[in-house]
Amino acid sequence: AQSVSQHNHHVILSEAASLELGCNYSYGGTVNLFWYVQYPGQHLQLLLKYFSGDPLVKGIKGFEAEFIKSKFSFNLRKPSVQWSDTAEYFCAVRSSSNTGKLIFGQGTTLQVKP
Amino acid sequence: DAGVTQSPTHLIKTRGQQVTLRCSPKSGHDTVSWYQQALGQGPQFIFQYYEEEERQRGNFPDRFSGHQFPNYSSELNVNALLLGDSALYLCASSPALVYEQYFGPGTRLTVT
Repeated sequence: AQSVSQHNHHVILSEAASLELGCNYSYGGTVNLFWYVQYPGQHLQLLLKYFSGDPLVKGIKGFEAEFIKSKFSFNLRKPSVQWSDTAEYFCAVRSSSNTGKLIFGQGTTLQVKP
Repeated sequence: DAGVTQSPTHLIKTRGQQVTLRCSPKSGHDTVSWYQQALGQGPQFIFQYYEEEERQRGNFPDRFSGHQFPNYSSELNVNALLLGDSALYLCASSPALVYEQYFGPGTRLTVT
């Protein structure tokens, strides 16, 4: 069965620190990959997505993610976090041939200290 | 341009009762998916509707059923509610089966 693993449940950083959130998935076929963010009191929003092509994808608010097929990973990065990045981050995967079902990781809570 | 909307925002029900949750997709979207998000967990896929038919289903019992209307809006029905059904129920829409999904704010269901 497909699954998604997010390595860090809770991350605390100071402003301007660099961020990397890990995401690994288990699925042998071609996948679409996503990172969603949920800011306090708001709904899930799409940060970035990977369907095909360049494995380094850029999203909103300075976030980027790199798809490494051999490692089944899709880690999220940001060079310098801001207090406003405090949120919960979810990695999600779906089979590119079974496009309805998004499989989510458990989420990582990021707390940025001012 | 309104995003995905859901109603009601909050709902409290008693065990054994039935509940109906509603979703209006983002303008231009024809595909609706439903997810259940328990506290501290990621969303779990319930099912997806396209062209008024259930296209895919996750590992949820038959107590969970749905419907999509000709205007693409959708309902999620849960019968014989259990305490474990308490969760945030999310609706997501997309312009077709293959594109990314956009989520609504959710309906918080509490079963007592």
